[in-house]
Amino acid sequence: DAGVIQSPRHEVTEMGQEVTLRCKPISGHNSLFWYRQTMMRGLELLIYFNNNVPIDDSGMPEDRFSAKMPNASFSTLKIQPSEPRDSAVYFCASTALGLAYNEQFFGPGTRLTVL
Amino acid sequence: RKEVEQDPGPFNVPEGATVAFNCTYSNSASQSFFWYRQDCRKEPKLLMSVYSSGNEDGRFTAQLNRASQYISLLIRDSKLSDSATYLCVVNMFGVTGGGNKLTFGTGTQLKVEL
Repeated sequence: DAGVIQSPRHEVTEMGQEVTLRCKPISGHNSLFWYRQTMMRGLELLIYFNNNVPIDDSGMPEDRFSAKMPNASFSTLKIQPSEPRDSAVYFCASTALGLAYNEQFFGPGTRLTVL
Repeated sequence: RKEVEQDPGPFNVPEGATVAFNCTYSNSASQSFFWYRQDCRKEPKLLMSVYSSGNEDGRFTAQLNRASQYISLLIRDSKLSDSATYLCVVNMFGVTGGGNKLTFGTGTQLKVEL
């Protein structure tokens, strides 16, 4: 079974450029999460979707960040314009709704470097 | 105060040692609890859930104290392969607005040495 798929795995870009990160959740999972991990702040939840609907975006740092989930098998996280402080590892995770102890499965992450 | 607090370590222990990690959480309405493991430059993966009665999985034992809002993980007979960062995780599931929203501690780093 394929796990959560993220692309690209690595992205190096220059300040001011648009960056789009992509995620394909595990088939059948109806809850999707975007996280950001840095050494200083650890793993932070940015936004999550239930049944393709954004539920909580309180972790999105500012208007430069936006996320969409047009269907059950695809989500994007976009940063426009990117800044050096956005450099981090971005993880996507998915789970099935309904139970408190359902495991969240993480993708391999996208390592973003903004120069 | 952070929602989930852990000692960042590192804990450097010899192979075969027993090591314990602790974690405290601030929201008494938290519903479910986990330990995740993260290897260097990899994604977090579920190690074990933590139930009110305490639970064991091989060399790993997890305990929950709701009154003190405290979670622990005990690793017995540690192996070189146990070297990783251990993340304490709390879920507000069922609480209004909580959904399946997990809150992660910053992790405790374990290094098991020969």
